[in-house]
Amino acid sequence: SQQGEEDPQALSIQEGENATMNCSYKTSINNLQWYRQNSGRGLVHLILIRSNEREKHSGRLRVTLDTSKKSSSLLITASRAADTASYFCATDVGRNTPLVFGKGTRLSVIA
Amino acid sequence: DVKVTQSSRYLVKRTGEKVFLECVQDMDHENMFWYRQDPGLGLRLIYFSYDVKMKEKGDIPEGYSVSREKKERFSLILESASTNQTSMYLCASSRRGRSGGYTFGSGTRLTVV
Repeated sequence: SQQGEEDPQALSIQEGENATMNCSYKTSINNLQWYRQNSGRGLVHLILIRSNEREKHSGRLRVTLDTSKKSSSLLITASRAADTASYFCATDVGRNTPLVFGKGTRLSVIA
Repeated sequence: DVKVTQSSRYLVKRTGEKVFLECVQDMDHENMFWYRQDPGLGLRLIYFSYDVKMKEKGDIPEGYSVSREKKERFSLILESASTNQTSMYLCASSRRGRSGGYTFGSGTRLTVV
């Protein structure tokens, strides 16, 4: 299965600290994306990194991709209580192929 | 504000009922998807569609069917609901040919009793 695996399953940090979540996958990919899900709601797209990119930034988010290790990391800097959510990585193997999601990391940011 | 709208947030149905979950998007997206989300299993793809009247099976299509008669609407049908179909159902859409993000609906939490 192509499904990604996030690590850790759950993470609890203090407000202001950085949060790092990791994703590993099994097959060669075209793109890797990160999504956020607030409790009981739909997922929101955060950032996309292509297989030929190594790092990407968006605001307080930093994503890295290491295709040789089949892994990615999502760093949220200066976390806020509002960042409390579940975070999912998702991969596709080509244009117009459906995304396959991992099981997610539950992040709790304590004020 | 562009969006994907799922017709119900919460739904309770009886075993054996035929259940329709509706999803409508207003972004003129070609691609639409149905996932279910269960604790410990993440999101799993049920069916997807790349165009009107087209459908493709995902990883777990058994017990489900879909209908896409109009571009903006993608319906998920549980032919005979069973308790193991109790889940959160998430609809999403995306633009064809571009590797971009999906836009998700808010989800329908279905309970089959």
